[in-house]
Amino acid sequence: AQKVTQAQTEISVVEKEDVTLDCVYETRDTTYYLFWYKQPPSGELVFLIRRNSFDEQNEISGRYSWNFQKSTSSFNFTITASQVVDSAVYFCACWAGSYQLTFGKGTKLSVIP
Amino acid sequence: DGGITQSPKYLFRKEGQNVTLSCEQNLNHDAMYWYRQDPGQGLRLIYYSQIVNDFQKGDIAEGYSVSREKKESFPLTVTSAQKNPTAFYLCASSRKAGDSADTQYFGPGTRLTVL
Repeated sequence: AQKVTQAQTEISVVEKEDVTLDCVYETRDTTYYLFWYKQPPSGELVFLIRRNSFDEQNEISGRYSWNFQKSTSSFNFTITASQVVDSAVYFCACWAGSYQLTFGKGTKLSVIP
Repeated sequence: DGGITQSPKYLFRKEGQNVTLSCEQNLNHDAMYWYRQDPGQGLRLIYYSQIVNDFQKGDIAEGYSVSREKKESFPLTVTSAQKNPTAFYLCASSRKAGDSADTQYFGPGTRLTVL
């Protein structure tokens, strides 16, 4: 069974600061996929990224970047120059050969203007 | 627009009543899922369906039932046997299920409150 740990329950930053959300996963499978989702106050989960275990390249998409390190079983998410619209709960999730995603408990990010 | 719709957005139920939450998708996805979210918690899988007329229990299926008579629809019934049904319910779909890690896309959710 997989396990996903998001140790940061809540984070507050001032607008334009950079912020990193941590995600540590556990799985015995060699093939697995990692995901990040954003849940704004409206409630709908918005897909951000999907990364497989064989691709350790970091990814950048605009102000978002992801750092995947198999050696530490981490898949951290950084928002550069944060904006108020980034305020949301962010979930990390892992899929490893079964029918379901295993989600972490989420990190609530508050960006203060 | 393609997407997943859930209705109603808010639902109030008296104790002892069954209620049905609607989930419809027009993405032509084979697989559909129901999750429950409690405050400060991640999502927990209730049921999933890989194909029409077939569905499997997730981690917390007790007190819930589903049907999959059409590819685009996957309604969830919260029965009176569910001891603590107040929660936020999210429906999702993906192109395939099973041994595929296809991305799951989510609907806007239904917030159920038991009075």
